[in-house]
Amino acid sequence: EVQLVESGGGLVQPGGSLRLSCAASGFTFSSYSMNWVRQAPGKGLEWVSYISSSSSTIYYADSVKGRFTISRDNAKNSLYLQMNSLRDEDTAVYYCARTYYDILTGYYGAFDIWGQGTMVTVSS
Amino acid sequence: EIVMTQSPATLSVSPGERATLSCRASQSVSSNLAWYQQKPGQAPRLLIYGASTRATGIPARFSGSGSGTEFTLTISSLQSEDFAVYYCQQYNNWPPGGTFGQGTKVEIK
Repeated sequence: EVQLVESGGGLVQPGGSLRLSCAASGFTFSSYSMNWVRQAPGKGLEWVSYISSSSSTIYYADSVKGRFTISRDNAKNSLYLQMNSLRDEDTAVYYCARTYYDILTGYYGAFDIWGQGTMVTVSS
Repeated sequence: EIVMTQSPATLSVSPGERATLSCRASQSVSSNLAWYQQKPGQAPRLLIYGASTRATGIPARFSGSGSGTEFTLTISSLQSEDFAVYYCQQYNNWPPGGTFGQGTKVEIK
């Protein structure tokens, strides 16, 4: 079964740090680019960060640039998000999501597999 | 940044009826548009990509159309399990970006 499982969420004070993990299984993790997407309580979805399959290309949303770091370990089938200098507005459920890729057509884009999410609460 | 605007915010529909959801982009995104379904307490699920291609396992009652700046998700005959929030997402200028609409809640009438 193709699956993504996040972990590492919790309660942290403003200015603190947290590291999220996403464990992948059921597919060749090293062949896919990955994303982090977050959802504040009662709000919509916000793309946070992207990492290519080889880690050669990385992007961040302006809202987290300079504070968050995405990384991956293909040997461990794992994706990470290091979050520093956390703010109240970073409170959200954080999802890891796989970029859809059709090997036959080369079509690339959209997020086809999502984890169940991990809650991050930033509060004093 | 491309802004995605969904309408209506809430759609009240009776089971068995058709639901039509709209998504507008502030500039052209070609056909690089996806639709997701999210139920309470669950992760989003990809329904449509490329504006009109159903993802694996998605029932035929879900269909997408449009290109450029105007897009539509149609659910031909609503089933009880279809009551949820639906989001559109453009990925034309992603990465970075990949902005989502604010969502349309489909509720039971």
